[in-house]
Amino acid sequence: GNSVTQMEGPVTLSEEAFLTINCTYTATGYPSLFWYVQYPGEGLQLLLKATKADDKGSNKGFEATYRKETTSFHLEKGSVQVSDSAVYFCALPLTSGSARQLTFGSGTQLTVLP
Amino acid sequence: DSGVTQTPKHLITATGQRVTLRCSPRSGDLSVYWYQQSLDQGLQFLIQYYNGEERAKGNILERFSAQQFPDLHSELNLSSLELGDSALYFCASSVGSSFNAANTGELFFGEGSRLTVL
Repeated sequence: GNSVTQMEGPVTLSEEAFLTINCTYTATGYPSLFWYVQYPGEGLQLLLKATKADDKGSNKGFEATYRKETTSFHLEKGSVQVSDSAVYFCALPLTSGSARQLTFGSGTQLTVLP
Repeated sequence: DSGVTQTPKHLITATGQRVTLRCSPRSGDLSVYWYQQSLDQGLQFLIQYYNGEERAKGNILERFSAQQFPDLHSELNLSSLELGDSALYFCASSVGSSFNAANTGELFFGEGSRLTVL
């Protein structure tokens, strides 16, 4: 099945710093790619997605570009806020094709200090 | 609020016991997924049900079982519990069972049930 490798954490940044969380994948074909975020005490929620190569997903100031040449989907934000402190997961379908169940990376804990 | 409800939020039990976790999906969602989140294994897909039928199986132990009822709620049964079963168990739901042009592929997660086995 498909798999994803995510940058090891934790990551600690000061407010307004630039954020990059690396994600690379191994997949058959070109599946949709996702970033989910888990705030403290909550379930995961979709942050952004890209459904085909060269697509850029964006939401709440976060961006990620689907790059098939490097099989990557790195998450970036130009200026992080304290409220961005959370765990971030890269994900893709477990099997290419129509299956919906997702496989997730190990998660990256982000802490933003004021 | 994702619209997915999980109960109980916390559960403490002893080794060898059996517990049942319950999930109510978002209104209108036919698919339910169960995931286990632990520190050493990360987030692992366990099983998926679609409209009452098992659709896909992941890393689910034989001691674990699940079902989806006619009202679409789902239960995850964990038996002969071991210390290593201590984890956060998430339920997620979606409209359909597969990706297609008509859906976003998004899963909606509940807040999880934290199981502690002593």
